[in-house]
Amino acid sequence: DTEVTQTPKHLVMGMTNKKSLKCEQHMGHRAMYWYKQKAKKPPELMFVYSYEKLSINESVPSRFSPECPNSSLLNLHLHALQPEDSALYLCASSHRDREGELFFGEGSRLTVL
Amino acid sequence: GESVGLHLPTLSVQEGDNSIINCAYSNSASDYFIWYKQESGKGPQFIIDIRSNMDKRQGQRVTVLLNKTVKHLSLQIAATQPGDSAVYFCAEQPTGSEKLVFGKGMKLTVNP
Repeated sequence: DTEVTQTPKHLVMGMTNKKSLKCEQHMGHRAMYWYKQKAKKPPELMFVYSYEKLSINESVPSRFSPECPNSSLLNLHLHALQPEDSALYLCASSHRDREGELFFGEGSRLTVL
Repeated sequence: GESVGLHLPTLSVQEGDNSIINCAYSNSASDYFIWYKQESGKGPQFIIDIRSNMDKRQGQRVTVLLNKTVKHLSLQIAATQPGDSAVYFCAEQPTGSEKLVFGKGMKLTVNP
């Protein structure tokens, strides 16, 4: 299994809603990532988890809250988002010996109204 | 030919031609470089990587060249096919860091 699975594929939410994005991989990878991608722009790193512990937070606003329940799962909890947070949210994982070779999911397309 | 659109540069080539996609990186501390391909509606996909102790690495139909003197990276695709149409990103990773930083990207369009 070489897939990273993200759900939902599409999400529309209001600014007062609370929602979560989910990511799952079964490749035994110990590093997992959240990236944000706006249209026609490169992916921007948000968070990195290494061995289920948060190792990098790229000064992301607290309305985004990551969670790594176990080595296969990564969540991104969303609360009180702004319309400018609308983007494609990409999850990725990598093997500890190949940290630059990220396996990406297809992303969750988020629209904040 | 190559053109710069709104935010995303574009390269158009004919099927069968060789393509060259260029990238300039900024961090002198980066010692690991990767090329990713992103097709429409999908996440980025790893193509090929190179470490700073090398200046060339070849894969299947792809070659990556690294010039550390001018901080320049290029991806050469031989005999470009319609399936190669995508946005290509270079990415750099500093020594000892888990942080992978993506460059601006270039859209490759292959005309049949």
